Amino acid sequence: AQKITQTQPGMFVQEKEAVTLDCTYDTSDPSYGLFWYKQPSSGEMIFLIYQGSYDQQNATEGRYSLNFQKARKSANLVISASQLGDSAMYFCAMRQSTGTASKLTFGTGTRLQVTL
Amino acid sequence: NAGVTQTPKFRVLKTGQSMTLLCAQDMNHEYMYWYRQDPGMGLRLIHYSVGEGTTAKGEVPDGYNVSRLKKQNFLLGLESAAPSQTSVYFCASSLTQDSSYEQYFGPGTRLTVT
Repeated sequence: AQKITQTQPGMFVQEKEAVTLDCTYDTSDPSYGLFWYKQPSSGEMIFLIYQGSYDQQNATEGRYSLNFQKARKSANLVISASQLGDSAMYFCAMRQSTGTASKLTFGTGTRLQVTL
Repeated sequence: NAGVTQTPKFRVLKTGQSMTLLCAQDMNHEYMYWYRQDPGMGLRLIHYSVGEGTTAKGEVPDGYNVSRLKKQNFLLGLESAAPSQTSVYFCASSLTQDSSYEQYFGPGTRLTVT
């Protein structure tokens, strides 16, 4: 069975600094996708970035990048130049595409607090 | 496009009461999902649907039923609510089952069962 582990319940970062949120995963499926979602205090789930298991390069989306290390089964999110608006819960999730209707499995999340 | 919408946004039920949560999407997505979010546990899949007229169980289906009579709607029912069903419920949809397609989430429904 697939599993996502986020070991950091909470993180603090100063404004304008970079921060890395950890995510490790476990799956025996060779084809999968890794996602990061942001959940601000208002509650909605906002898609940030995606990495496919066969992608050769690390995904980037603006200030977000995904440090994908397939052999270590890790997919860490890097946020550069943190802003106060980045304060939120961040969830790592994995999706497998082989006959499972592509269900997402979520980690327990990391609460990021950006300080002045 | 409204994306994924959920009705209601908040609800308080007494133990034993029933209710239906409505999810609607206007993106012509085939796949729809219901999740619940509890503190410290991330999101867990309750039920999902791979197309109109189909439903399947997820990770935590007990105490819930679903229906997908129309492609754009996915209903989640609680026949006899219990305090353990106090949670935030999210609906999501996806165009295909390809792992590269993100799931689009609704704004959530906060349900309290007393």
